[in-house]
Amino acid sequence: NAGVMQNPRHLVRRRGQEARLRCSPMKGHSHVYWYRQLPEEGLKFMVYLQKENIIDESGMPKERFSAEFPKEGPSILRIQQVVRGDSAAYFCASSPGGDDYTFGSGTRLTVV
Amino acid sequence: GENVEQHPSTLSVQEGDSAVIKCTYSDSASNYFPWYKQELGKRPQLIIDIRSNVGEKKDQRIAVTLNKTAKHFSLHITETQPEDSAVYFCAASMEEDKIIFGKGTRLHILP
Repeated sequence: NAGVMQNPRHLVRRRGQEARLRCSPMKGHSHVYWYRQLPEEGLKFMVYLQKENIIDESGMPKERFSAEFPKEGPSILRIQQVVRGDSAAYFCASSPGGDDYTFGSGTRLTVV
Repeated sequence: GENVEQHPSTLSVQEGDSAVIKCTYSDSASNYFPWYKQELGKRPQLIIDIRSNVGEKKDQRIAVTLNKTAKHFSLHITETQPEDSAVYFCAASMEEDKIIFGKGTRLHILP
């Protein structure tokens, strides 16, 4: 089992571009969670998805951010028109339901 | 929603001494309390967890205690070693719900 796979590991975008972050959950896991970690800070919950459904998006900024978890393929966190303040590490975690969370290695987004 | 407070933000202890990190949570419905260790540039790794039907749990040099009435829980690391230096996060959740993290404690083990 390859674990939770996130790609890319590092992503550089110019201000105004779009960033697409991918997360493939562990085999058998149907729950996906996205977190953002600013430098020297904790992990802040963004969104919780199950296949084809957004369960809780209470941590998502109202504009420019969206997430999906299609029936086939990875979960995608999309950030439109990126700004410098979007620079952070974005972690994805998956679980089969219940408390068995596993985190991916994260995507480090740098906006220049 | 759930809010998790964590103290201290930074902790330095002499190698071999014990380290204690304390957390409080706000939602009495939370029933799962994991602790994560994060080394620089790495993913958070689960080191121990406790559920609300248990008051204490130990795994070698690491122990967690939970006081459900007071809504606080603590991490204890005994006989600290240099490799224990990292950032530690407490967290709380309800089953099949999102995990809410504390802001982290940066632990320095001094030689």
